[in-house]
Amino acid sequence: GQNIDQPTEMTATEGAIVQINCTYQTSGFNGLFWYQQHAGEAPTFLSYNVLDGLEEKGRFSSFLSRSKGYSYLLLKELQMKDSASYLCAVRGFDNYGQNFVFGPGTRLSVLP
Amino acid sequence: DTEVTQTPKHLVMGMTNKKSLKCEQHMGHRAMYWYKQKAKKPPELMFVYSYEKLSINESVPSRFSPECPNSSLLNLHLHALQPEDSALYLCASSQDLGLKSTDTQYFGPGTRLTVL
Repeated sequence: GQNIDQPTEMTATEGAIVQINCTYQTSGFNGLFWYQQHAGEAPTFLSYNVLDGLEEKGRFSSFLSRSKGYSYLLLKELQMKDSASYLCAVRGFDNYGQNFVFGPGTRLSVLP
Repeated sequence: DTEVTQTPKHLVMGMTNKKSLKCEQHMGHRAMYWYKQKAKKPPELMFVYSYEKLSINESVPSRFSPECPNSSLLNLHLHALQPEDSALYLCASSQDLGLKSTDTQYFGPGTRLTVL
């Protein structure tokens, strides 16, 4: 099975940088995804990591360490619209085939 | 175009009703998914279809019945639901089942279901 952990809530100030951590345990790791979800809306894809290292995409970056079962999402130059839940999701394989499991999500509040 | 559409947006039904949720994508994706999401919780995978065949059924009660009429459409038939089934039901699609490393799931806007 899979076990994924994220902080429940975080608060940051507009213009600042925030790092959201995700730790996981899984069998047959085949990728880690970050999604953003605003209240009442569908998750939208932000980033994907399958190899160790940093992936940068504009104001968003995601890092992965497979040996440590650890990832983080880095958000720079925070804007009010970045207030949302951030979901870490891990794709893996078990005896039943592929699985795709979301972490509990981190609710980020950006304050003026 | 990375759009997945879902209808209806909102649905209120009684415990004796039969209703269906619909999902459509025209991205040529061959894998489609149903998720259930309760308030302040992450989405939970219910079903996965790959090439129009049910690939994964995450021990979902039989009152939920998925159907994939063709590669672009995915339905979820509902019958004799319970109030605790009230949730946001999300559909997603991906190019394939994620056996290639870069497959990404794209989500529809969801159907907000209330069971009275």
